[in-house]
Amino acid sequence: DVKVTQSSRYLVKRTGEKVFLECVQDMDHENMFWYRQDPGLGLRLIYFSYDVKMKEKGDIPEGYSVSREKKERFSLILESASTNQTSMYLCASSLPTSGRGFFGPGTRLTVL
Amino acid sequence: KQEVTQIPAALSVPEGENLVLNCSFTDSAIYNLQWFRQDPGKGLTSLLLIQSSQREQTSGRLNASLDKSSGRSTLYIAASQPGDSATYLCAVRLGAGGTSYGKLTFGQGTILTVHP
Repeated sequence: DVKVTQSSRYLVKRTGEKVFLECVQDMDHENMFWYRQDPGLGLRLIYFSYDVKMKEKGDIPEGYSVSREKKERFSLILESASTNQTSMYLCASSLPTSGRGFFGPGTRLTVL
Repeated sequence: KQEVTQIPAALSVPEGENLVLNCSFTDSAIYNLQWFRQDPGKGLTSLLLIQSSQREQTSGRLNASLDKSSGRSTLYIAASQPGDSATYLCAVRLGAGGTSYGKLTFGQGTILTVHP
């Protein structure tokens, strides 16, 4: 079975801090994604990557950046965390052909 | 822009009932549709995936159907159990052409409660 892991389940940071969220998948998937999930807004795509060092903006990229130096790892970076970035962050991976998405357990980030 | 809507937003049923969750999407040019389950505070677990050329998929007590031309999918849960209580999300992937890269567009979800 595909396994997608995220570095932290819960994270508390202060406004202005730089925050790194790490995601690792073990099935050699080309595509990786970062979503955030908020009550009433559902899941929204922040960034995705379809290959090493390749990245594309999703629907809400403002305030975020990403890094994909290795195929198995996709990092989400909050350059200067703000309170409106308090959310549940979900990482996912998939093959280009099958399209089945596999999700990590999520990181609940609180920015104070 | 693809929009996905799920009805109802919440559903509460007694144990043993058969139930139907609905999902509709505005752009019928989809590559596939996926149903997920999410337990409180957890990630998403894939339940069923229906390719655009398929009409339905079954897994145990779950059956998902797809009518691409009308932009609709249903998830049927037979003989519901308290352990089925969770949020159910449907997500569509646009056609493989262009730059979809497997991006999913999600509905808001249906919160299901099955009480003993």
